[in-house]
Amino acid sequence: GENVEQHPSTLSVQEGDSAVIKCTYSDSASNYFPWYKQELGKGPQLIIDIRSNVGEKKDQRIAVTLNKTAKHFSLHITETQPEDSAVYFCTASIGGSYIPTFGRGTSLIVHP
Amino acid sequence: DGGITQSPKYLFRKEGQNVTLSCEQNLNHDAMYWYRQDPGQGLRLIYYSQIVNDFQKGDIAEGYSVSREKKESFPLTVTSAQKNPTAFYLCASQGPGEDYGYTFGSGTRLTVV
Repeated sequence: GENVEQHPSTLSVQEGDSAVIKCTYSDSASNYFPWYKQELGKGPQLIIDIRSNVGEKKDQRIAVTLNKTAKHFSLHITETQPEDSAVYFCTASIGGSYIPTFGRGTSLIVHP
Repeated sequence: DGGITQSPKYLFRKEGQNVTLSCEQNLNHDAMYWYRQDPGQGLRLIYYSQIVNDFQKGDIAEGYSVSREKKESFPLTVTSAQKNPTAFYLCASQGPGEDYGYTFGSGTRLTVV
């Protein structure tokens, strides 16, 4: 089955800095890669996703990149703000199987 | 507004008791899922249902049961057979076709007393 590795487990940055979270996946058939943000005591929320026919996608301060050859994908947050502090999960799934495999999560702490 | 609602937000269970967690969605999604989250851990799949009257075990189904009698509802029962039920439980639904992303509920925190 699919295996998703996520690094780092904790990331601490100063407000205004950039943050990068990296994931690798094992199944080359995976073609959909959503990212979720989970604030304390709440359910995760989908913040951005990318499909395997695209190498990069941006939405304001967040962007995701995908390297299919290396089976890597990353989340980039620029100009971080304290409200970006949360746990972020990467996921990978194979179209048609529907059930994603989650990474173990990255706790991002943005210091004001 | 369309969404997914979990209740209650907090639940306390005595030893030997069964408890049921509610999950309701008005997104018209066919697929629904239950996950368990322990402190500092990722999400582990308990059960899922891709259509009414059908459901499948996930990775940690022992001690749990579900039903899917209506498209909108996917309740999870934590039975007395689940020896370590204290956790944060998340319900999610998933759209069809190209939209594979999950919509999560706000979670239920279950504590054994």
